[in-house]
Amino acid sequence: EVQLVESGGGLVQPGRSLKLSCLASGFTFSNYGMNWIRQAPGKGLEWVASISSSSSYIYYADTVKGRFTISRDNAKNTLYLQMTSLRSEDTALYYCVRSVDYWGQGVMVTVSS
Amino acid sequence: DIQMTQSPSFLSASVGDRVTLSCKASQNINKYLAWYQQKLGEAPKLLIYNANSLQTGIPSRFSGSGSGTDFTLTISSLQPEDVATYFCLQHNSWPGTFGGGTKLELK
Repeated sequence: EVQLVESGGGLVQPGRSLKLSCLASGFTFSNYGMNWIRQAPGKGLEWVASISSSSSYIYYADTVKGRFTISRDNAKNTLYLQMTSLRSEDTALYYCVRSVDYWGQGVMVTVSS
Repeated sequence: DIQMTQSPSFLSASVGDRVTLSCKASQNINKYLAWYQQKLGEAPKLLIYNANSLQTGIPSRFSGSGSGTDFTLTISSLQPEDVATYFCLQHNSWPGTFGGGTKLELK
């Protein structure tokens, strides 16, 4: 069974940093591109960042480019999202997504003073 | 970015009804369209990929069609457990973009 378990969320002040993790199991992690997708409270879904299976290709939404870094450790079956210079508009539920098929339960990030 | 427009935003239907949801892309996305179901407090669940392929384990009352810019999700006979929000995703080009969703309720 495919499982994606996010962690690392919480309440953080504007301008600070936070690092999200996503532990994958039930499939060969190193074979799949992975994504972070977020949903702000009461808003639609936004594709945040993507990374290919071998980390050769990385993409960021314009809204986070230069502030967020996606990475992965295939030996640890883990996807990461390093978030810096956080803003109130980054407040959202962050989902770890395998390709386009399986989604984690999400982790909440709240940016507020 | 490619804009995805879903309609209707809200839909009220009865058990057993045939329900049709629409998703339109602002430009050609070939068949790279996925449909998801999201129930309150749960993660989205993939129903349809590549516009018309049923994801493993999804009931056959769900079906998808379309290509290019116009796509449809059909529920052939609505069941109570189908109450949810449905949204589409295009992944033909970066960044993937989502429709605004259709909230489906029972009449």
